[in-house]
Amino acid sequence: KQEVTQIPAALSVPEGENLVLNCSFTDSAIYNLQWFRQDPGKGLTSLLLIQSSQREQTSGRLNASLDKSSGRSTLYIAASQPGDSATYLCAVRPRGNKLVFGAGTILRVKS
Amino acid sequence: AAGVIQSPRHLIKEKRETATLKCYPIPRHDTVYWYQQGPGQDPQFLISFYEKMQSDKGSIPDRFSAQQFSDYHSELNMSSLELGDSALYFCASSLSQGAAVGGNTIYFGEGSWLTVV
Repeated sequence: KQEVTQIPAALSVPEGENLVLNCSFTDSAIYNLQWFRQDPGKGLTSLLLIQSSQREQTSGRLNASLDKSSGRSTLYIAASQPGDSATYLCAVRPRGNKLVFGAGTILRVKS
Repeated sequence: AAGVIQSPRHLIKEKRETATLKCYPIPRHDTVYWYQQGPGQDPQFLISFYEKMQSDKGSIPDRFSAQQFSDYHSELNMSSLELGDSALYFCASSLSQGAAVGGNTIYFGEGSWLTVV
């Protein structure tokens, strides 16, 4: 059974810092991995999708890497801003249609 | 750009009542998913449809059923509601490219808040 773990569970940083969120998964047989952002009581906003054959994806200040063989992904956020404060969820897509989510990392960026 | 539309956004029901949630996927997306997110929990997959046929099933209770219609919108029907069904219900959609390609981005709606009292 695929399990996804995210570390740390919560993170508080001053504005301007670069930070790394970690995601690990137990079964490397995945099609892709997706990073989401969720604001309190809101929907999930897709940030980046990495296919199983890819090593990384970049979008603006965000960079996500994937090491499928070791079951790890990282989300790097450069020059963090208070508006980045949210819960960040990592999800893997094994065979089939469902996504398996991690519990998320709650990020707070202090101004 | 059009996103996934869910209705209603908020719903309050009493125990043992029935509730129906609606989802309108992004135009031309052929796959619809339903997820349930309890308070402080990560989203749990319930069920998905591809081209109006059920394609995958997760932890969906027998009291729940879902279907996708000819116009691709989907409905999640929940009967004999229990207090534990109180959660945020997400619908998501994607355009399938087949397993060989790895799958496209899955886009989520804003969710429907169900409170059972």
